[in-house]
Amino acid sequence: KAGVTQTPRYLIKTRGQQVTLSCSPISGHRSVSWYQQTPGQGLQFLFEYFSETQRNKGNFPGRFSGRQFSNSRSEMNVSTLELGDSALYLCASSSTKGGQGPYEQYFGPGTRLTVT
Amino acid sequence: AQKVTQAQTEISVVEKEDVTLDCVYETRDTTYYLFWYKQPPSGELVFLIRRNSFDEQNEISGRYSWNFQKSTSSFNFTITASQVVDSAVYFCALSAPDRGSTLGRLYFGRGTQLTVWP
Repeated sequence: KAGVTQTPRYLIKTRGQQVTLSCSPISGHRSVSWYQQTPGQGLQFLFEYFSETQRNKGNFPGRFSGRQFSNSRSEMNVSTLELGDSALYLCASSSTKGGQGPYEQYFGPGTRLTVT
Repeated sequence: AQKVTQAQTEISVVEKEDVTLDCVYETRDTTYYLFWYKQPPSGELVFLIRRNSFDEQNEISGRYSWNFQKSTSSFNFTITASQVVDSAVYFCALSAPDRGSTLGRLYFGRGTQLTVWP
C-alpha cells in the first residue's frame, strides 16, 4: 500500500507570496491532519479534516487555511508568507475503522518551505 | 491542557548499549493515548507505538520496549543493544479524543536526538 505523499517536497517562496501544499493520504484513510515543524516551536498541529470537514484547528493565524476533497486528498494554503513560516509541513493520514481512536497517524515525508 | 515533556534533548551512546528515552505527560482527561514516533534525517515521522490510558501493560517489540506508568505520568522507551541505524530524533506524543470525534490532535514533546556511535 502506498504511503502518504506530499507535493512538492521543497519550495522556496518570497515574503508576501502565497503557497499551496498538497497531501494524498493512504488509500482508504479519510482523516488528514497537518503539522508544522520548526526548530523553535517543534511540532505544532495545524488542522484536522475528516470527510471534507475541518474537525479541529490549531492556534495559527487565519493566513493558514486548508481543505479536503471528496477523494480525501487535502491541501493547505498559506497566504501573505512571512519569514517565520519557513518550516517542514507534515501531513498525516489515519484510518477511521474500528471504535478505539484516536488512530495511528501515518506521516508523509513533508514539504520543506523556505521563505526568503 | 495537554503537555508532553521530553527532558533529554540529546543522548549519545555507543553501539550495543541500552538506552532509555524519557517521556512525561500531563492531561486532565481520563481517556487518552500515547505515541512514540521516530524521525530519521529524511524527515518522515515513523509510527512506533500507540498506547491507551487503560492499558498499562509494558510492551516489547524486538529491541524496543515501552514502560507506561500512570502513577508517574510517564511513557518511557528503551532500545536494547542499540545500533547505528537507531540514530534519529524520537518524539513522544499525547492525544485525547476531541468532543464529537474519535480522532485527536497530537501534542508532541520537543524530541530527543539519539546518536548511536559505531
